[in-house]
Amino acid sequence: AAGVIQSPRHLIKEKRETATLKCYPIPRHDTVYWYQQGPGQDPQFLISFYEKMQSDKGSIPDRFSAQQFSDYHSELNMSSLELGDSALYFCASSPPAYNEQFFGPGTRLTVL
Amino acid sequence: AQSVSQHNHHVILSEAASLELGCNYSYGGTVNLFWYVQYPGQHLQLLLKYFSGDPLVKGIKGFEAEFIKSKFSFNLRKPSVQWSDTAEYFCAVISHGSGNTGKLIFGQGTTLQVKP
Repeated sequence: AAGVIQSPRHLIKEKRETATLKCYPIPRHDTVYWYQQGPGQDPQFLISFYEKMQSDKGSIPDRFSAQQFSDYHSELNMSSLELGDSALYFCASSPPAYNEQFFGPGTRLTVL
Repeated sequence: AQSVSQHNHHVILSEAASLELGCNYSYGGTVNLFWYVQYPGQHLQLLLKYFSGDPLVKGIKGFEAEFIKSKFSFNLRKPSVQWSDTAEYFCAVISHGSGNTGKLIFGQGTTLQVKP
């Protein structure tokens, strides 16, 4: 069965650089969620999209932005990267009207 | 604010021992409850979920959990752990109410170490 795809899987950036993380949901899933998991931490909700519109916003810094495109894939754009942005970034998708989320493998971002 | 609390941060067991990980949540309305497992360096995998019905739910790999509404709890159990169960375990909640968008609220996680 198709799963959530995230790219890249690993990313190394310098401070103050920008990064773009991509998420491709399971086909026919209309909702995408982004979570950030710092080292030894639990995942924290960042932002979500439903039918290409932002549906909720969590603890996402103003330096980050995201969107969902017409093909339902989503991109998380991160600017002015800081050391504290180093984390595992998960994307999850869910099908219409169903509250189970299917997680991607994550993108491990390291900021040097 | 809604929160999820996992009582045990680090659990060490020998193989064949029984496991119970505690989870409590703070939201008083209708909830969906989940347990996820994260093996080292890997992504979150769903162990089991509770939406409605029988409060005792069975998941993969011999895990089960019991939803006790009066105690706001959803404890995870396994009668006999294996070395391969060594992982991080997260309890998570989706609360239903006005403005619910389905985001998961996670507990702090419990690191389970099973000694062979």
